[in-house]
Amino acid sequence: ETGVTQTPRHLVMGMTNKKSLKCEQHLGHNAMYWYKQSAKKPLELMFVYNFKEQTENNSVPSRFSPECPNSSHLFLHLHTLQPEDSALYLCASSQGTPLEQYFGPGTRLTVT
Amino acid sequence: AQKITQTQPGMFVQEKEAVTLDCTYDTSDPSYGLFWYKQPSSGEMIFLIYQGSYDQQNATEGRYSLNFQKARKSANLVISASQLGDSAMYFCAMKDTGNQFYFGTGTSLTVIP
Repeated sequence: ETGVTQTPRHLVMGMTNKKSLKCEQHLGHNAMYWYKQSAKKPLELMFVYNFKEQTENNSVPSRFSPECPNSSHLFLHLHTLQPEDSALYLCASSQGTPLEQYFGPGTRLTVT
Repeated sequence: AQKITQTQPGMFVQEKEAVTLDCTYDTSDPSYGLFWYKQPSSGEMIFLIYQGSYDQQNATEGRYSLNFQKARKSANLVISASQLGDSAMYFCAMKDTGNQFYFGTGTSLTVIP
Protein backbone atom coordinates (compact mmCIF):
# COMPACT_ATOMS: atom_id res chain seq x y z
CA GLU A 1 0.00 0.00 0.00
CA THR A 2 1.15 3.50 -0.68
CA GLY A 3 0.12 6.95 0.41
CA VAL A 4 -2.37 7.66 3.14
CA THR A 5 -5.20 5.27 3.88
CA GLN A 6 -8.24 5.79 6.06
CA THR A 7 -10.77 3.35 7.44
CA PRO A 8 -13.66 3.13 7.44
CA ARG A 9 -14.61 5.13 4.36
CA HIS A 10 -18.17 5.57 5.59
CA LEU A 11 -19.53 5.47 9.13
CA VAL A 12 -23.01 5.96 10.51
CA MET A 13 -23.26 6.16 14.28
CA GLY A 14 -25.77 7.10 16.91
CA MET A 15 -25.12 9.82 19.42
CA THR A 16 -24.45 7.32 22.20
CA ASN A 17 -22.01 5.15 20.22
CA LYS A 18 -18.25 4.99 20.51
CA LYS A 19 -16.26 4.49 17.34
CA SER A 20 -12.76 5.12 16.05
CA LEU A 21 -11.38 6.39 12.76
CA LYS A 22 -8.05 5.06 11.62
CA CYS A 23 -5.40 6.65 9.45
CA GLU A 24 -2.20 5.05 8.23
CA GLN A 25 0.54 6.60 6.14
CA HIS A 26 3.15 4.67 4.21
CA LEU A 27 5.26 7.67 3.22
CA GLY A 28 7.72 7.77 6.10
CA HIS A 29 6.39 11.16 7.19
CA ASN A 30 6.69 12.36 10.76
CA ALA A 31 3.72 14.73 10.98
CA MET A 32 0.07 13.73 10.85
CA TYR A 33 -3.12 15.77 10.90
CA TRP A 34 -6.86 15.44 11.37
CA TYR A 35 -9.16 17.78 9.48
CA LYS A 36 -12.93 18.19 9.46
CA GLN A 37 -14.62 19.15 6.20
CA SER A 38 -18.22 20.33 6.44
CA ALA A 39 -20.34 21.44 3.52
CA LYS A 40 -19.70 25.02 2.42
CA LYS A 41 -17.12 25.62 5.14
CA PRO A 42 -13.35 25.76 4.95
CA LEU A 43 -11.40 22.73 5.98
CA GLU A 44 -10.89 22.89 9.74
CA LEU A 45 -7.62 21.69 11.22
CA MET A 46 -8.39 19.68 14.35
CA PHE A 47 -5.17 18.08 15.57
CA VAL A 48 -1.51 17.97 14.61
CA TYR A 49 1.07 15.41 15.65
CA ASN A 50 4.80 15.75 15.11
CA PHE A 51 6.91 12.71 15.95
CA LYS A 52 3.92 11.24 17.83
CA GLU A 53 3.60 14.35 20.00
CA GLN A 54 0.45 16.43 19.77
CA THR A 55 1.45 19.96 18.86
CA GLU A 56 -1.89 21.51 18.01
CA ASN A 57 -5.42 21.12 19.32
CA ASN A 58 -7.64 23.72 17.78
CA SER A 59 -10.31 23.99 20.45
CA VAL A 60 -11.80 20.67 19.47
CA PRO A 61 -14.55 19.33 21.78
CA SER A 62 -13.47 16.54 24.08
CA ARG A 63 -15.85 14.12 22.40
CA PHE A 64 -13.07 13.87 19.78
CA SER A 65 -9.98 12.19 21.18
CA PRO A 66 -6.89 11.66 19.00
CA GLU A 67 -4.27 9.01 19.47
CA CYS A 68 -0.94 8.65 17.70
CA PRO A 69 0.85 5.45 18.78
CA ASN A 70 3.60 5.88 16.19
CA SER A 71 4.51 8.10 13.27
CA SER A 72 2.60 5.92 10.81
CA HIS A 73 -0.73 5.61 12.59
CA LEU A 74 -3.28 8.12 13.76
CA PHE A 75 -6.65 7.46 15.34
CA LEU A 76 -9.62 9.65 16.12
CA HIS A 77 -11.79 8.23 18.87
CA LEU A 78 -15.38 9.40 18.82
CA HIS A 79 -17.94 9.30 21.62
CA THR A 80 -21.29 10.95 22.33
CA LEU A 81 -21.17 12.89 19.07
CA GLN A 82 -23.76 15.40 17.92
CA PRO A 83 -25.52 15.53 14.54
CA GLU A 84 -23.51 18.65 13.65
CA ASP A 85 -20.38 16.50 13.83
CA SER A 86 -21.47 14.82 10.60
CA ALA A 87 -18.78 15.64 8.06
CA LEU A 88 -15.90 14.28 6.02
CA TYR A 89 -12.90 13.65 8.25
CA LEU A 90 -9.61 13.83 6.45
CA CYS A 91 -6.25 12.63 7.61
CA ALA A 92 -3.03 14.02 6.18
CA SER A 93 0.69 13.59 6.64
CA SER A 94 3.77 15.61 5.81
CA GLN A 95 7.48 15.34 6.21
CA GLY A 96 9.47 17.61 8.47
CA THR A 97 8.84 21.31 7.95
CA PRO A 98 5.46 20.98 6.38
CA LEU A 99 5.41 21.77 2.76
CA GLU A 100 2.72 19.86 0.98
CA GLN A 101 0.45 17.57 2.89
CA TYR A 102 -0.69 14.23 1.54
CA PHE A 103 -4.29 13.45 2.28
CA GLY A 104 -6.20 10.25 2.69
CA PRO A 105 -9.56 9.64 1.02
CA GLY A 106 -11.47 10.59 4.15
CA THR A 107 -14.14 9.03 6.30
CA ARG A 108 -17.68 10.22 5.64
CA LEU A 109 -19.27 10.33 9.10
CA THR A 110 -22.98 10.61 9.70
CA VAL A 111 -24.27 11.04 13.24
CA THR A 112 -27.93 10.13 13.69
CA ALA B 1 -11.09 37.40 9.83
CA GLN B 2 -10.82 34.83 7.10
CA LYS B 3 -7.26 33.95 6.28
CA ILE B 4 -8.01 32.57 2.83
CA THR B 5 -10.70 33.91 0.52
CA GLN B 6 -11.89 32.20 -2.62
CA THR B 7 -14.61 34.35 -4.16
CA GLN B 8 -15.64 32.01 -6.96
CA PRO B 9 -17.93 29.26 -5.71
CA GLY B 10 -18.24 27.82 -9.21
CA MET B 11 -16.39 28.18 -12.51
CA PHE B 12 -16.88 26.76 -16.00
CA VAL B 13 -14.24 26.40 -18.68
CA GLN B 14 -14.22 24.99 -22.15
CA GLU B 15 -12.01 21.97 -22.68
CA LYS B 16 -8.49 22.96 -23.84
CA GLU B 17 -8.93 26.53 -22.62
CA ALA B 18 -7.10 28.11 -19.70
CA VAL B 19 -8.83 29.07 -16.45
CA THR B 20 -7.81 31.17 -13.44
CA LEU B 21 -9.04 30.38 -9.96
CA ASP B 22 -8.77 33.28 -7.53
CA CYS B 23 -7.32 33.22 -4.05
CA THR B 24 -6.45 36.03 -1.67
CA TYR B 25 -4.87 35.58 1.72
CA ASP B 26 -4.36 37.51 4.90
CA THR B 27 -1.32 37.25 7.10
CA SER B 28 1.16 39.55 8.80
CA ASP B 29 3.85 36.87 8.97
CA PRO B 30 6.82 37.53 6.68
CA SER B 31 7.26 33.81 6.06
CA TYR B 32 4.40 31.71 4.80
CA GLY B 33 3.53 29.11 2.21
CA LEU B 34 0.66 28.95 -0.22
CA PHE B 35 -0.82 25.74 -1.59
CA TRP B 36 -3.42 24.61 -4.02
CA TYR B 37 -5.24 21.32 -3.69
CA LYS B 38 -7.68 19.51 -5.95
CA GLN B 39 -10.52 17.47 -4.52
CA PRO B 40 -12.35 15.21 -6.98
CA SER B 41 -15.73 13.76 -6.10
CA SER B 42 -13.96 10.76 -4.56
CA GLY B 43 -13.00 13.03 -1.66
CA GLU B 44 -9.22 12.77 -1.62
CA MET B 45 -7.34 16.07 -1.51
CA ILE B 46 -4.53 16.11 -4.06
CA PHE B 47 -1.63 18.52 -3.72
CA LEU B 48 -1.06 20.55 -6.88
CA ILE B 49 1.40 23.34 -6.32
CA TYR B 50 3.28 25.29 -3.66
CA GLN B 51 4.59 28.86 -3.47
CA GLY B 52 6.82 30.14 -0.69
CA SER B 53 6.54 33.77 0.36
CA TYR B 54 10.21 34.38 -0.43
CA ASP B 55 10.15 32.68 -3.80
CA GLN B 56 11.00 35.17 -6.50
CA GLN B 57 9.44 33.28 -9.34
CA ASN B 58 5.93 31.99 -9.75
CA ALA B 59 5.63 28.27 -9.15
CA THR B 60 4.78 25.99 -12.04
CA GLU B 61 3.94 22.29 -12.14
CA GLY B 62 3.02 20.99 -15.54
CA ARG B 63 -0.26 22.61 -16.58
CA TYR B 64 -0.57 24.36 -13.21
CA SER B 65 0.97 27.69 -12.42
CA LEU B 66 0.54 29.98 -9.46
CA ASN B 67 0.23 33.69 -10.17
CA PHE B 68 1.77 35.08 -6.99
CA GLN B 69 1.27 38.79 -6.38
CA LYS B 70 2.68 39.44 -2.96
CA ALA B 71 1.73 43.09 -2.63
CA ARG B 72 -1.87 42.26 -3.46
CA LYS B 73 -1.77 39.12 -1.30
CA SER B 74 -3.12 37.01 -4.07
CA ALA B 75 -2.16 33.52 -5.21
CA ASN B 76 -4.29 32.62 -8.18
CA LEU B 77 -4.10 29.19 -9.76
CA VAL B 78 -3.90 29.04 -13.54
CA ILE B 79 -4.76 25.77 -15.26
CA SER B 80 -3.78 25.69 -18.90
CA ALA B 81 -5.25 23.42 -21.58
CA SER B 82 -8.12 22.25 -19.36
CA GLN B 83 -9.07 18.59 -19.48
CA LEU B 84 -12.30 16.88 -18.49
CA GLY B 85 -10.48 15.29 -15.57
CA ASP B 86 -9.80 18.73 -14.14
CA SER B 87 -13.43 18.99 -13.04
CA ALA B 88 -13.23 19.06 -9.24
CA MET B 89 -13.20 21.31 -6.20
CA TYR B 90 -10.06 23.41 -5.84
CA PHE B 91 -8.85 24.69 -2.50
CA CYS B 92 -6.32 27.38 -1.75
CA ALA B 93 -4.46 27.04 1.53
CA MET B 94 -1.85 28.86 3.53
CA LYS B 95 0.58 27.90 6.23
CA ASP B 96 2.12 30.69 8.28
CA THR B 97 4.44 30.37 11.26
CA GLY B 98 3.54 27.53 13.53
CA ASN B 99 1.59 24.45 12.60
CA GLN B 100 -1.58 26.13 11.42
CA PHE B 101 -2.97 25.51 7.96
CA TYR B 102 -5.82 27.67 6.66
CA PHE B 103 -8.06 26.61 3.80
CA GLY B 104 -10.50 28.54 1.67
CA THR B 105 -14.07 27.46 0.96
CA GLY B 106 -13.10 26.16 -2.45
CA THR B 107 -14.05 26.70 -6.08
CA SER B 108 -15.95 24.09 -8.05
CA LEU B 109 -14.53 23.83 -11.56
CA THR B 110 -16.46 22.22 -14.36
CA VAL B 111 -14.76 21.55 -17.68
CA ILE B 112 -17.18 21.54 -20.58
CA PRO B 113 -16.45 19.27 -23.56
